[in-house]
Amino acid sequence: DTGVSQNPRHKITKRGQNVTFRCDPISEHNRLYWYRQTLGQGPEFLTYFQNEAQLEKSRLLSDRFSAERPKGSFSTLEIQRTEQGDSAMYLCASSTGAGTSGRRRNEQFFGPGTRLTVL
Amino acid sequence: LAKTTQPISMDSYEGQEVNITCSHNNIATNDYITWYQQFPSQGPRFIIQGYKTKVTNEVASLFIPADRKSSTLSLPRVSLSDTAVYYCLVGAGYSSNTGKLIFGQGTTLQVKP
Repeated sequence: DTGVSQNPRHKITKRGQNVTFRCDPISEHNRLYWYRQTLGQGPEFLTYFQNEAQLEKSRLLSDRFSAERPKGSFSTLEIQRTEQGDSAMYLCASSTGAGTSGRRRNEQFFGPGTRLTVL
Repeated sequence: LAKTTQPISMDSYEGQEVNITCSHNNIATNDYITWYQQFPSQGPRFIIQGYKTKVTNEVASLFIPADRKSSTLSLPRVSLSDTAVYYCLVGAGYSSNTGKLIFGQGTTLQVKP
């Protein structure tokens, strides 16, 4: 257990439905990331928050995707009008930042992921 | 971030030492080399990070030659539980703005009894 939790762990939905995932990062971490992972591939970056500010979004994040981090604590990722191509594992990670001392610069702590299946 | 190349898969047997080499010819001066491990149905987990020479922790060792164009993750005496995907990442250095991680396909290590 890394201290990052994600809910739900699994979500099955029908094409066209909206889904929302939640991530609770480690409480003192100000950085939060969302990644998407499909079978046989490494995780792909989706978006990044520093506190409550969304500072970077990947081109993978189409206009059907939206992410929020109100109050700089938990984060939600919503997918509207889901498509079969959205089926993937959605991973959340948190960190204290790139300036961490020692040999663990920008170590990111990943949650267990939410596996989305769109039928 | 620098592009990395590592073998797609490797097989080993319990008790053996496993070395996974990663090439990163375009590594920048400020870049660190980081390895993550991912078990099925779990998120990746940080294993080790280094900048040059050798780094060792309770899990693995990381060897980085002087030119830093490659690195080798060494897992001593692997067990079945070391079966996982291992990712080599280069970048996210001290001056990184966002710290986002760029993963490749990784190396799938299969440890056999």
